[in-house]
Amino acid sequence: KNEVEQSPQNLTAQEGEFITINCSYSVGISALHWLQQHPGGGIVSLFMLSSGKKKHGRLIATINIQEKHSSLHITASHPRDSAVYICAVRLLAGGTSYGKLTFGQGTILTVHP
Amino acid sequence: DGGITQSPKYLFRKEGQNVTLSCEQNLNHDAMYWYRQDPGQGLRLIYYSQIVNDFQKGDIAEGYSVSREKKESFPLTVTSAQKNPTAFYLCASSIDLGTGSLGYGYTFGSGTRLTVV
Repeated sequence: KNEVEQSPQNLTAQEGEFITINCSYSVGISALHWLQQHPGGGIVSLFMLSSGKKKHGRLIATINIQEKHSSLHITASHPRDSAVYICAVRLLAGGTSYGKLTFGQGTILTVHP
Repeated sequence: DGGITQSPKYLFRKEGQNVTLSCEQNLNHDAMYWYRQDPGQGLRLIYYSQIVNDFQKGDIAEGYSVSREKKESFPLTVTSAQKNPTAFYLCASSIDLGTGSLGYGYTFGSGTRLTVV
């Protein structure tokens, strides 16, 4: 079982819909990242969370440390939101672990006009 | 503007040849990383470097080599020993490795797509 699991793997929506992408993890973390990868391949960091909730424009990210779960929400979705959304957790440092990022497999989002 | 530059964007290599992927950052970040991305899989760590002249193997280092002679540069060489080198390669950097702290956000390059022909 992967340490980071995302769901769904594929998501199709109509423009304007509210979208939720989920991320569950099984290890102790110091932070969680949400990343966006466009078809060209480049990755943009959307959020880094260690607790609570963050909002940027139409994007909202939440994390529940006790339940080891995070969600990324997109309100009023738009075709330009079509991308791969990746969850990554930063492991707690200790022993030989320096606090590296471990990535989920990504959620492919397609928003139709 | 500060950022990470990866070059080239597309690279073709014949079997049996070594090839070097470039990664340069002007963010004054101490830590740099190389990841490999395959379809349907999460990014996997190849090598990382915390400071100049120091680097560590990641999860899939076999068939790869790196150097960190300058803070700004972290080139990755895909050697002929890498059995399945066709993939998308991403370079990233961060202020530090985040040991003992919450860690700072990553900055990613735009990637290099390597195809073995």
